Amino acid sequence: KNQVEQSPQSLIILEGKNCTLQCNYTVSPFSNLRWYKQDTGRGPVSLTIMTFSENTKSNGRYTATLDADTKQSSLHITASQLSDSASYICVGYSSASKIIFGSGTRLSIRP
Amino acid sequence: DAGITQSPRHKVTETGTPVTLRCHQTENHRYMYWYRQDPGHGLRLIHYSYGVKDTDKGEVSDGYSVSRSKTEDFLLTLESATSSQTSVYFCAAGLYTGELFFGEGSRLTVL
Repeated sequence: KNQVEQSPQSLIILEGKNCTLQCNYTVSPFSNLRWYKQDTGRGPVSLTIMTFSENTKSNGRYTATLDADTKQSSLHITASQLSDSASYICVGYSSASKIIFGSGTRLSIRP
Repeated sequence: DAGITQSPRHKVTETGTPVTLRCHQTENHRYMYWYRQDPGHGLRLIHYSYGVKDTDKGEVSDGYSVSRSKTEDFLLTLESATSSQTSVYFCAAGLYTGELFFGEGSRLTVL
C-alpha cells in the first residue's frame, strides 16, 4: 500500500534555531518526492523535488535529503524565521500516476 | 503564482442543497485535481481530470461529481450537501509526476 508518514505532527522552536522534519514513504513504483509548504489559509507551494538519484538538495535555508534504501526523506530548516511557521507536507509520486500526501508537520516559530 | 483561482472562497449552505465549486487555471495544465483537507488528515483526492471531458475518481469521491468542458475550468459539484462535506477544498493543476500548483482553497460549511 502506498503511504507517506511524517513526524513529528507538530513542532515548536525558537526563532533562529534549526529543525528537521521527517518523512517515511512507501511509494511504488517510485518516481519522486516533493516537499510542500502550506501557510495558514493558503494552498501548498512546492519547496523542492527529490528524485531517486538525488541525496541532498538545497533551496535557500531549506535542505532536503533522500535515502532511497531506507525510504526516508528529511527537510532541514536552518536559522528559522517567523515566516517559516507553516505546515510542511511530504508528497510521494509514483510513476503509476499516484500522488500520495503525508498528513504534514505543523511548525511554529516563536520569537 | 501559477494562475489557479477558486470560487467561491467561502460558502455556507444547508444540508441537502446543491453546491458547485469552480476552479480556473490560466497555464494550460492538462491535469487538474480536487482535494479536500480536514484536520488530522492529509489532502485527500476527490476527483481528477486528465483532459477535457476525461475525469476519474479519487479516494473520497462518494457524494461528489466533476465536469471539465474546457481545459481551463474544472467544476466540483456536491449534489446534495451533507455536514460531513464541511471542509476546505483545494483545486490543483499540473502533471501527475511534477509540481502541483494549488489554488487558495474554498472553505465550505454545511449546516
